[in-house]
Amino acid sequence: EDQVTQSPEALRLQEGESSSLNCSYTVSGLRGLFWYRQDPGKGPEFLFTLYSAGEEKEKERLKATLTKKESFLHITAPKPEDSATYLCAVSGAGNKLTFGGGTRVLVKP
Amino acid sequence: DGGITQSPKYLFRKEGQNVTLSCEQNLNHDAMYWYRQDPGQGLRLIYYSQIVNDFQKGDIAEGYSVSREKKESFPLTVTSAQKNPTAFYLCASSIDRTGELFFGEGSRLTVL
Repeated sequence: EDQVTQSPEALRLQEGESSSLNCSYTVSGLRGLFWYRQDPGKGPEFLFTLYSAGEEKEKERLKATLTKKESFLHITAPKPEDSATYLCAVSGAGNKLTFGGGTRVLVKP
Repeated sequence: DGGITQSPKYLFRKEGQNVTLSCEQNLNHDAMYWYRQDPGQGLRLIYYSQIVNDFQKGDIAEGYSVSREKKESFPLTVTSAQKNPTAFYLCASSIDRTGELFFGEGSRLTVL
């Protein structure tokens, strides 16, 4: 059974204080690893897809990386508007999407 | 603008009542999904549909039912058989069955 574990559960940052979120996964036949951003009371918004180890994707202050066992979402010089819950998900051989529990990020000015 | 519309945003239900959550998309996507989100837990798949008039159970389908009579619409009924229905419900769609999903704003159901 595919599994996704995100850590930490919550992260408090000062504005400008860079940090990383971790997504550890076990999956049979990785088809893709996905990152989403979710604001309180809203639906998740797609950010990135990573397909193979060594791949990296960037968007503004966010950078996602992938190894064979985990993915990191690096937040560089975050701003208060980066406050959100970040969700990680994997798709395996069964083409089923498995989500992690998310990391709640709070960036204080 | 293209997107997914869920309604209602908030819904209160008495025990023993069935309720139906609406999901409409104008993205021309073939695949549609219903997820349930509980605090501190990952999204869990209730039902999904790849084409009109066809749908499959997800991981937690018991107590729920769906229909897919039109490409644009995928309503979810939470029946009285669902033992713990209070949750945040999310509808999503995708061009094909990839993990790049477009989500609606969600519907929060509270059972009184």
